[in-house]
Amino acid sequence: DAKTTQPPSMDCAEGRAANLPCNHSTISGNEYVYWYRQIHSQGPQYIIHGLKNNETNEMASLIITEDRKSSTLILPHATLRDTAVYYCIVRVALGAGSYQLTFGKGTKLSVIP
Amino acid sequence: NAGVTQTPKFQVLKTGQSMTLQCAQDMNHNSMYWYRQDPGMGLRLIYYSASEGTTDKGEVPNGYNVSRLNKREFSLRLESAAPSQTSVYFCASSWDRTNNEQFFGPGTRLTVL
Repeated sequence: DAKTTQPPSMDCAEGRAANLPCNHSTISGNEYVYWYRQIHSQGPQYIIHGLKNNETNEMASLIITEDRKSSTLILPHATLRDTAVYYCIVRVALGAGSYQLTFGKGTKLSVIP
Repeated sequence: NAGVTQTPKFQVLKTGQSMTLQCAQDMNHNSMYWYRQDPGMGLRLIYYSASEGTTDKGEVPNGYNVSRLNKREFSLRLESAAPSQTSVYFCASSWDRTNNEQFFGPGTRLTVL
């Protein structure tokens, strides 16, 4: 199973871009990368996912390296409400077409005023 | 739409007591999940239901049972609670087993004395 490595914490100034790195060097060719975040004990919130191409939505951008061994989540203009734990996840096949999201400890992002 | 709702929000049990955690979703999703989150840790999958009428074990199923009552509702039962089951329990749903954009409920905070 592909595992992910993230820094335990990061700071970002309000209004600046937050770049959250993730290593997944054992990822297989057909495994997707997912990003979720969890704001202070709330349920996790889906952000974005991708396979090999860069992806962008209204919340964030996901940059995946060409060898797919690492990725970066970019929050273009961080606000105080973006303070949360961010999880980088490689989904794992459970069989019969089902998949598991394994949440590690994530990166605690603190947005500083 | 309420999304994913969970009851109760808080519960204190004594060792050996039983209880059922309730989860319901109003998004017409086919797949539902139960996770637990221990302090300072990521989420771990307990059980999931890929579709109505099916349930399967996740990473940490011991001590739990589930029921997919209908398409909307997925309950988690602790038959004989133990202090090791003190945790925050999250229910989630997704459109189907292959779509891992999961929507999470607010959680149930359970303490077993």
